[in-house]
Amino acid sequence: GNSVTQMEGPVTLSEEAFLTINCTYTATGYPSLFWYVQYPGEGLQLLLKATKADDKGSNKGFEATYRKETTSFHLEKGSVQVSDSAVYFCALSDQGSSYKLIFGSGTRLLVRP
Amino acid sequence: GAVVSQHPSWVICKSGTSVKIECRSLDFQATTMFWYRQFPKQSLMLMATSNEGSKATYEQGVEKDKFLINHASLTLSTLTVTSAHPEDSSFYICSARPPNTGELFFGEGSRLTVL
Repeated sequence: GNSVTQMEGPVTLSEEAFLTINCTYTATGYPSLFWYVQYPGEGLQLLLKATKADDKGSNKGFEATYRKETTSFHLEKGSVQVSDSAVYFCALSDQGSSYKLIFGSGTRLLVRP
Repeated sequence: GAVVSQHPSWVICKSGTSVKIECRSLDFQATTMFWYRQFPKQSLMLMATSNEGSKATYEQGVEKDKFLINHASLTLSTLTVTSAHPEDSSFYICSARPPNTGELFFGEGSRLTVL
């Protein structure tokens, strides 16, 4: 079945450091790929998405490119801020399944001043 | 963006009692809502798809009689954990999708602790 694998956290970085959170997936067909962010005490929010191979999703300085050849959707940011501290979830949706999402295990990011 | 709200945000109950969690779409109508369960330091696991006016569709391994889902209106879905036990303690999250969009919006989650 479809699945998503994320790197384990927590990831601890200093402010302005470069961030990469790895995400790989297994899926039949052509899923859409998403990154969600969960700030402390809040619900999940969509950070960015890509719907087809080679698409690049971007938002708030974060980027991720849909790589079909490596079945990956790694999240990157060139310079993190303390306010980026949160849990990040990679997810995929099979368009044929009414937008049901399958999530990775989440990666906690802690950015220190 | 669209707003999805859950209530209560946290609840503590005694073993054997039933607990109801509400999920509301505040500024749009949702024919479909989704219920997830999140264990500590783990991912969200889809429990069921709630369909307005019809029976919910449960994922494999989820007990239908234990987790009762009712989607009586286009803005409200409820999850009732019946005869709760400590192993039901978890973080329950709902999501909904506005019509004609591809984006899901999530509630803040409801933390259930069963003593």
